[in-house]
Amino acid sequence: AQSVSQHNHHVILSEAASLELGCNYSYGGTVNLFWYVQYPGQHLQLLLKYFSGDPLVKGIKGFEAEFIKSKFSFNLRKPSVQWSDTAEYFCAVTSHNTGKLIFGQGTTLQVKP
Amino acid sequence: DVKVTQSSRYLVKRTGEKVFLECVQDMDHENMFWYRQDPGLGLRLIYFSYDVKMKEKGDIPEGYSVSREKKERFSLILESASTNQTSMYLCASSRGTSGNQPQHFGDGTRLSIL
Repeated sequence: AQSVSQHNHHVILSEAASLELGCNYSYGGTVNLFWYVQYPGQHLQLLLKYFSGDPLVKGIKGFEAEFIKSKFSFNLRKPSVQWSDTAEYFCAVTSHNTGKLIFGQGTTLQVKP
Repeated sequence: DVKVTQSSRYLVKRTGEKVFLECVQDMDHENMFWYRQDPGLGLRLIYFSYDVKMKEKGDIPEGYSVSREKKERFSLILESASTNQTSMYLCASSRGTSGNQPQHFGDGTRLSIL
């Protein structure tokens, strides 16, 4: 069965620090990969997605993620975080021919001003 | 912009009650989903639907049922509410069946069962 694992459950950073959130999935076939963000009191929204092509994808608000097929990983990065990035981040994967999303456990990011 | 509307932000019900959570999307999406979100567990899929009158079990369907009589509306039903169903419930919709379309989420319903 497919599964998604996020390495960090709670991350605390100071403003301007660099961010990397780990995500690994287990599925042998072709996958679609997503990062979603949930700001306090708001609905989940899409940060970025990968289907094919360039394994380095850029999303909104300066976030990017790199798909490394050999490591089954899709880590999220941002060079310099802001206080407004405080949120919960979810990695998710679908197999290539279904719309069913499998989510990781989520990572809570707290950015201190 | 896609709009997924859940009927209630907060709901309090009693053990044993039959509870209905409603979700409506305005983008003519084929797929609709119900999740529950619990701290440390992420989002877990309860049920989903690829078309009107079609439904598929997700990972945790026990104690729940769904109804999709119209394309834009997907209802989640707790047949006999129990305290372990206290949670945040999220509805989502997406287009097509290829798996490469992002899901769009509602604001969630925080349900408390007393």
